[in-house]
Amino acid sequence: RKEVEQDPGPFNVPEGATVAFNCTYSNSASQSFFWYRQDCRKEPKLLMSVYSSGNEDGRFTAQLNRASQYISLLIRDSKLSDSATYLCVVNLGSSNTGKLIFGQGTTLQVKP
Amino acid sequence: NAGVTQTPKFRVLKTGQSMTLLCAQDMNHEYMYWYRQDPGMGLRLIHYSVGEGTTAKGEVPDGYNVSRLKKQNFLLGLESAAPSQTSVYFCASSPGAGAKETQYFGPGTRLLVL
Repeated sequence: RKEVEQDPGPFNVPEGATVAFNCTYSNSASQSFFWYRQDCRKEPKLLMSVYSSGNEDGRFTAQLNRASQYISLLIRDSKLSDSATYLCVVNLGSSNTGKLIFGQGTTLQVKP
Repeated sequence: NAGVTQTPKFRVLKTGQSMTLLCAQDMNHEYMYWYRQDPGMGLRLIHYSVGEGTTAKGEVPDGYNVSRLKKQNFLLGLESAAPSQTSVYFCASSPGAGAKETQYFGPGTRLLVL
């Protein structure tokens, strides 16, 4: 079983749609959680951190369920520029020298 | 402030050749990491460093060596390249290892081993 699992997609949605991505992680000792965005042939870049209480950044909402070991990302009012691969990332904390564990990514294609 | 830079951007090698990938960061970060990214596999940690003069193995270290002689540089070496090492290599750096810390990535090096 992979440590961080995501549905690879692709998710093909029209502009303006709402789309949700899910991610599960296996290590219950995981300390913190992130969503990264990776554009085609580019490096991953931090999109947002995920907090236990849930957090929102404009059209993006991230939620964490520690009991179920489940993370989600909701994108509202999708734009063409949201087309990218979204990586679910888990930080195992300082006792593991800050290692990040990456999911394989979920590809989103927003169409006109 | 260039962030994290990688050299070269693209390289083609023949099986058995050697090469060194250079990663440099100007953010005074203590921690540096080398990953490889393959289709359907996500990013996998090759080696990492928690400070100048230190290195440690990650998830997939075989066939690679690293050195961190200066805080700002982290070198990844392939002594005898194999086709299985065809991949995109990303370097990353982080100020620390705390739970809230994230990593900053370089633009990547595309390596093709024939």
